[in-house]
Amino acid sequence: EAQVTQNPRYLITVTGKKLTVTCSQNMNHEYMSWYRQDPGLGLRQIYYSMNVEVTDKGDVPEGYKVSRKEKRNFPLILESPSPNQTSLYFCASKYLSTDTQYFGPGTRLTVL
Amino acid sequence: TQLLEQSPQFLSIQEGENLTVYCNSSSVFSSLQWYRQEPGEGPVLLVTVVTGGEVKKLKRLTFQFGDARKDSSLHITAAQPGDTGLYLCAGSLTGTASKLTFGTGTRLQVTL
Repeated sequence: EAQVTQNPRYLITVTGKKLTVTCSQNMNHEYMSWYRQDPGLGLRQIYYSMNVEVTDKGDVPEGYKVSRKEKRNFPLILESPSPNQTSLYFCASKYLSTDTQYFGPGTRLTVL
Repeated sequence: TQLLEQSPQFLSIQEGENLTVYCNSSSVFSSLQWYRQEPGEGPVLLVTVVTGGEVKKLKRLTFQFGDARKDSSLHITAAQPGDTGLYLCAGSLTGTASKLTFGTGTRLQVTL
């Protein structure tokens, strides 16, 4: 089944404790992206990648890192999480030649 | 400042009513997309419009892209409870095809 998977789905952590949210897709998509969704603000793009080893900042990259060592994986790294990074995070992927992005199920992160 | 403003933010209507959701910006977009998101899931693409003045229909949903490519609307005819969800518009600014900016969202509830 074609899908985008994220892990974990839920995470409660404390300020400053490094964490990684994984994202994997099995559709051989070149493009992958991370978004955060907050009430009243919609989805905001954090980082995106157009292919392996190619990443670029979205609208709200501060406090986040990403890597794209393999085509299928695009982990989101929070080196020192802070409470303002409490949010619902979505990973998405698509072929570069199309508009249709496939979203993962989301990761709800709480930073205390 | 939000690049894409959606209105209304919330809409509660009865089955059979018609409704229109608006997505406005002062910027010009090369393309604009509409998504629907249900609780606990990621957004799902409904349609992409790319030409100023373009109108696309998807069963009871009609999407329009403004002539100047700065705004869009989604009209639902004879709404049904299954239309309930969060509707999001998203656009790519000219020259930034891989960077997607989402609107603030319209939460629609359709009751029997």
